[in-house]
Amino acid sequence: SSELTQDPAVSVALGQTVRITCQGDSLRTYHANWYQQKPGQAPILVISGKNNRPSGIPDRFSGSSSGTTASLTITGAQAEDEADYYCNSRDRSGNRKLFGPGTKVTVL
Amino acid sequence: EVHLLESGGGFIQPGGSLRLSCAASGFTFSNFAMTWVRQAPGKGLEWVSTISGSGGSRFSADSVKGRFTISRDNSKNTLFLQMSSLRVDDTAIYYCAKEISGTYPVTSDSWGQGTLVTVSS
Repeated sequence: SSELTQDPAVSVALGQTVRITCQGDSLRTYHANWYQQKPGQAPILVISGKNNRPSGIPDRFSGSSSGTTASLTITGAQAEDEADYYCNSRDRSGNRKLFGPGTKVTVL
Repeated sequence: EVHLLESGGGFIQPGGSLRLSCAASGFTFSNFAMTWVRQAPGKGLEWVSTISGSGGSRFSADSVKGRFTISRDNSKNTLFLQMSSLRVDDTAIYYCAKEISGTYPVTSDSWGQGTLVTVSS
């Protein structure tokens, strides 16, 4: 399969931990990247590769992977973390970019 | 600081053509692949096309193959997307993004703010 799947929505209490997952066969071969998108804004990269945070991304964001599942964990979620989160990887050929359908994170 | 500014979006009838541009600054443009990603209203992200830093390699989604052509002018630090035979379902915000790779669609580490393309009769 050349698809990535994500849960449509998750909620987390302020200050608690939430894990968002992304599943796909291509994740056996390629790392997942994670993007945060707030309403009316462009996506921003929060995790790339194995577990790399771009400059300016808080260390409460972390990534992990096992088999066909990649995960983004927010440890100590803040109100400003409420957003849509998309995973992305490549298809088996490596020549096409795949995006998951996105997970809406609500911070309660 | 990387800066990407898209332009060229607008309202177009089905079957029409449009060319999007993305002006880049803050990095050595020719060293990096560049990508177009679109987002239909209320929907998720969809990869459209990627071009290598040299322009010698191009990769496109099946949904746009034969209709959209990605290109770049490294002398002007500008990325383009020529869109033809536009359909209603091409309506979306089109984002340009810089890749961390020089060739392949791997990781988009910087994004523009997007330009809206509306295809409607």
